[in-house]
Amino acid sequence: EVQLVESGGGVVRPGGSLRLSCAASGFTFDEHGMSWVRQAPGKGLEWVSGINWNGDTTTYADSVKGRFTISRDNAKNSLYLQMNSLRAEDTAFYYCARDALEYQVLNYFDYWGQGTLVTVSS
Amino acid sequence: QVVLTQSPSASASLGASVKLTCTLSSGHSSYAIAWHQQQPEKGPRYLMKLNNDGSHTKGDGIPDRFSGSSSGAERHLTISSLQSEDEADYYCQTWGSGIVMFGGGTKLTVL
Repeated sequence: EVQLVESGGGVVRPGGSLRLSCAASGFTFDEHGMSWVRQAPGKGLEWVSGINWNGDTTTYADSVKGRFTISRDNAKNSLYLQMNSLRAEDTAFYYCARDALEYQVLNYFDYWGQGTLVTVSS
Repeated sequence: QVVLTQSPSASASLGASVKLTCTLSSGHSSYAIAWHQQQPEKGPRYLMKLNNDGSHTKGDGIPDRFSGSSSGAERHLTISSLQSEDEADYYCQTWGSGIVMFGGGTKLTVL
């Protein structure tokens, strides 16, 4: 059974940093690209960042470019999101999601985690 | 850049059918999309990938009550024999040129 479990959310002050993790199991992690998607309270889904199967290609939404860094450790079956210079508008649930098609960069998502909440507030 | 447009809300009666629509912006009518369901207080769940010819690939365990179809730039999700647990937000997603886009979502109310 495919499982994606996010962790690392919490409350942080504006300008602060936070690192999210996503532990993957139930599939061959290093065959799939992965993404982070966020959802502000009461709002829709917003794609944040994606990374290909081996980590050498990364992409970002304009809203986080230069502040967030996506990475992965295939030996640990884990995905990460380093978030710096956080703003109030970054407050959201953050979900990790698996790219459905193996060895391809960014496509549709066929599995999602349950999310972790990041609150940016003074 | 592709834009996905969804009606903000829809409603239908228990046991009835409902058709939700996701419309691709001009010039992008050949794009495939994916449909995702998000029940209250839960993470999203993948329902299906829907191609421009109407063929679709459903996710694990998705009931036959969920089906997809395409017409031009429109991508449809039809849910038949509506059940109370179908009350949820439904999002369409597409991808390409290094980005992923979501529609604004449709909130489905089961009456």
